[in-house]
Amino acid sequence: DAGITQSPRHKVTETGTPVTLRCHQTENHRYMYWYRQDPGHGLRLIHYSYGVKDTDKGEVSDGYSVSRSKTEDFLLTLESATSSQTSVYFCAISESDANEQFFGPGTRLTVL
Amino acid sequence: AQTVTQSQPEMSVQEAETVTLSCTYDTSESNYYLFWYKQPPSRQMILVIRQEAYKQQNATENRFSVNFQKAAKSFSLKISDSQLGDTAMYFCASDGGSQGNLIFGKGTKLSVKP
Repeated sequence: DAGITQSPRHKVTETGTPVTLRCHQTENHRYMYWYRQDPGHGLRLIHYSYGVKDTDKGEVSDGYSVSRSKTEDFLLTLESATSSQTSVYFCAISESDANEQFFGPGTRLTVL
Repeated sequence: AQTVTQSQPEMSVQEAETVTLSCTYDTSESNYYLFWYKQPPSRQMILVIRQEAYKQQNATENRFSVNFQKAAKSFSLKISDSQLGDTAMYFCASDGGSQGNLIFGKGTKLSVKP
């Protein structure tokens, strides 16, 4: 299995609080992605990174920011969580932008 | 925009039988990759099989095989000798995203019954 971990695995927070999710990889892959999974939508891209300090927005980036200061870590931040951000968040990694992606175990976030 | 469509929200199959999950996609690329991912109740996304569009031969991985029809933009997954552990959500995906991301279908929930 690809070495990808996500923390925390579960989190319950209140509307308006900041939240940071962490993705850590041991594969030294260049590309990292954050997706969210919601019923009836499959997985949708939030942000992605193509190298250290190189990030860009995805399909559903509003309300989220990311940072990548090291190859192995990709952080997703909700500056002020809203109930619409209740979801399961997946991190994925890939060697290139044309290869298969390997996923972390996911984080279930509930915003009350 | 690139799209991936899975028209079967739910399916069921008896243990040891064969089942086929459907997927169609839309892309303007000439070379691309297609994938099937499995998501069991544990929530982990597991790569089942991948197909490179320029390869005419259908991909096979043990009991899993695909029927890739490039002209029809169809990419179905066949599971032979279904096992209880195959019970999961199955997602079809293409690498057609402009940011190198995967575009996912909405999934098919497969139940394997004893």
